[in-house]
Amino acid sequence: NAGVTQTPKFRVLKTGQSMTLLCAQDMNHEYMYWYRQDPGMGLRLIHYSVGEGTTAKGEVPDGYNVSRLKKQNFLLGLESAAPSQTSVYFCASSFYSWTGNDEQYFGPGTRLTVT
Amino acid sequence: DQQVKQNSPSLSVQEGRISILNCDYTNSMFDYFLWYKKYPAEGPTFLISISSIKDKNEDGRFTVFLNKSAKHLSLHIVPSQPGDSAVYFCAAPQGGSEKLVFGKGTKLTVNP
Repeated sequence: NAGVTQTPKFRVLKTGQSMTLLCAQDMNHEYMYWYRQDPGMGLRLIHYSVGEGTTAKGEVPDGYNVSRLKKQNFLLGLESAAPSQTSVYFCASSFYSWTGNDEQYFGPGTRLTVT
Repeated sequence: DQQVKQNSPSLSVQEGRISILNCDYTNSMFDYFLWYKKYPAEGPTFLISISSIKDKNEDGRFTVFLNKSAKHLSLHIVPSQPGDSAVYFCAAPQGGSEKLVFGKGTKLTVNP
């Protein structure tokens, strides 16, 4: 049981380049999330998904797109990277809970630098 | 507007003593709170939670206290150990939904 895995662990992009971050979970969780963590800013929600084929915007969605074609995978895309997107990106997943009180399980993070 | 606030960016304590990490919130609709712990180069991991129907929840060395009238919660670690050195995040589900709102975190350093 690997939990939540993220690919790649590190990446350096030039401004304007595109890339996709992959998140995979093997816990059969319905909900998946993408966060970014910046110094002094805590964790901010980018996009999330409440099930296969669904996505929704979080707090800071601009410049990112996501897809959830399979239940176990959640992809985060940057179409045209900007230096402001330099950050550490975390994926997380959780069981469905109507109360919203299930803990989220996080991946190890992807450190992205945009020059 | 920040709904979950951790006003102390850092805290340093001696091994064996008590660590107290504080969290304030502005949204009176929050009814559940979670604490996450994060080591460098790793993802956050769930530590302990509390429902608004309680004012205290214990798990081993970790206790979370909730003061609803003050919109304040605190995490107590007793006794503190060097392995507790990490960043601690307070979080709450927004509007009873699946979205968590996080504080900015407090970096705890436990000195041997």
